[in-house]
Amino acid sequence: DIVMTQSPATLSVSPEERATLSCRASQSVSSNLAWYQQRPGQAPRLLIYDASTRAPGLPARFSGSGSGTQFTLTISSVQSEDFAVYYCHQYNNWPGTFGQGTKVEIK
Amino acid sequence: EVQLVQSGAEVKKAGESLKISCKGAGYNFGNYWIGWVRQMPGKGLEWMGIIFPGDPHIRYGPSFEGQVTISADKSITTAYLQWRSLKASDTAIYYCARVASGYFYFDYWGQGTLVTVSS
Repeated sequence: DIVMTQSPATLSVSPEERATLSCRASQSVSSNLAWYQQRPGQAPRLLIYDASTRAPGLPARFSGSGSGTQFTLTISSVQSEDFAVYYCHQYNNWPGTFGQGTKVEIK
Repeated sequence: EVQLVQSGAEVKKAGESLKISCKGAGYNFGNYWIGWVRQMPGKGLEWMGIIFPGDPHIRYGPSFEGQVTISADKSITTAYLQWRSLKASDTAIYYCARVASGYFYFDYWGQGTLVTVSS
């Protein structure tokens, strides 16, 4: 299975600061990577697919980049509702695998 | 509006059987894969398997093959996840999610079903 490694495990940011989350794949997944947000007590929600395409209705402050083995999710100006756990997910190889998550918390 | 509505929380004893459900609405259920994802307490997401209700064609993740059974009834737009004999380690939240057309990421998610298994 492809191993997805996210860093950091926890990211402390102040509101309106920029947040940069990383995801590394153990082998190339091309651009077949998605990002999900999970708020406490809620189901995950799709943010980004194909590494850089925003899901419908997603605010423009969220952006994804990368290909191959290195990917980044950027929140340009973190809002209160963005404090959550973020997961990357590769769907290039069977079975799909998730990263362990990055928690974005209030500094 | 696409919706996936899951059955309610379950409390079971080790060794018991269980079947939880996920009802799809707002789209052509038979034309999209549905997946199941496990989240153990305080942990991340694990990909369990997917089913294409129109066939049905099923694929399991290696860690879950033989441990659970995934099925679907297209006539009532419902997918299922089933255990024959639960273990305490099956305690988790289980999410169903629709697989995006032509790809294998999840574009819509159910609200989750909490399964608690006591030993």
